[in-house]
Amino acid sequence: QKEVEQNSGPLSVPEGAIASLNCTYSDRGSQSFFWYRQYSGKSPELIMFIYSNGDKEDGRFTAQLNKASQYVSLLIRDSQPSDSATYLCAANSGGGADGLTFGKGTHLIIQP
Amino acid sequence: DARVTQTPRHKVTEMGQEVTMRCQPILGHNTVFWYRQTMMQGLELLAYFRNRAPLDDSGMPKDRFSAEMPDATLATLKIQPSEPRDSAVYFCASGSGQGHTEAFFGQGTRLTVV
Repeated sequence: QKEVEQNSGPLSVPEGAIASLNCTYSDRGSQSFFWYRQYSGKSPELIMFIYSNGDKEDGRFTAQLNKASQYVSLLIRDSQPSDSATYLCAANSGGGADGLTFGKGTHLIIQP
Repeated sequence: DARVTQTPRHKVTEMGQEVTMRCQPILGHNTVFWYRQTMMQGLELLAYFRNRAPLDDSGMPKDRFSAEMPDATLATLKIQPSEPRDSAVYFCASGSGQGHTEAFFGQGTRLTVV
């Protein structure tokens, strides 16, 4: 069974610091990995995706992928109170089997 | 403003009643997903379609749930009969292409079965 694991938190980070969110996955066939942000009572919104080993940067966000360790992370630099949300990690196996498997999310709190 | 539109946003119904949720995917997207979110289970994939054809509905309780896509602009998820354990937020999402498919989510339908 495909699983994506995340620490539920809450993860508390002071404003301006780097928030580090982690995720592991069980299916070695997974090819693409996604980070979504979900505010309370709202729908998930895509932050970024990654499918190659290494780092991918987009503004204050950096996604990191290590397929050998089956590990994905998201770094948020210069954390802002507006970054406080639940962050969902998701994986899919690609090749036409595109339903995403989601972790249960990490609740991030940025303290002003 | 391209977005996935879901109706209704909220639904309260009595156990045993039929519930139909609707989704209009983003124009041009050929893949539609139905997810259910609860506190205990998180986001679970129920079913998805590509080019209106069902590709996977293994996450769906077959005896009471059905998903269809009568045309490219409408996807439906039906529960008959509904049960209290079906109470959850149901999200529709759409995407384009294959492989590294991002899914863009609608606002969700919050279903409460009493």
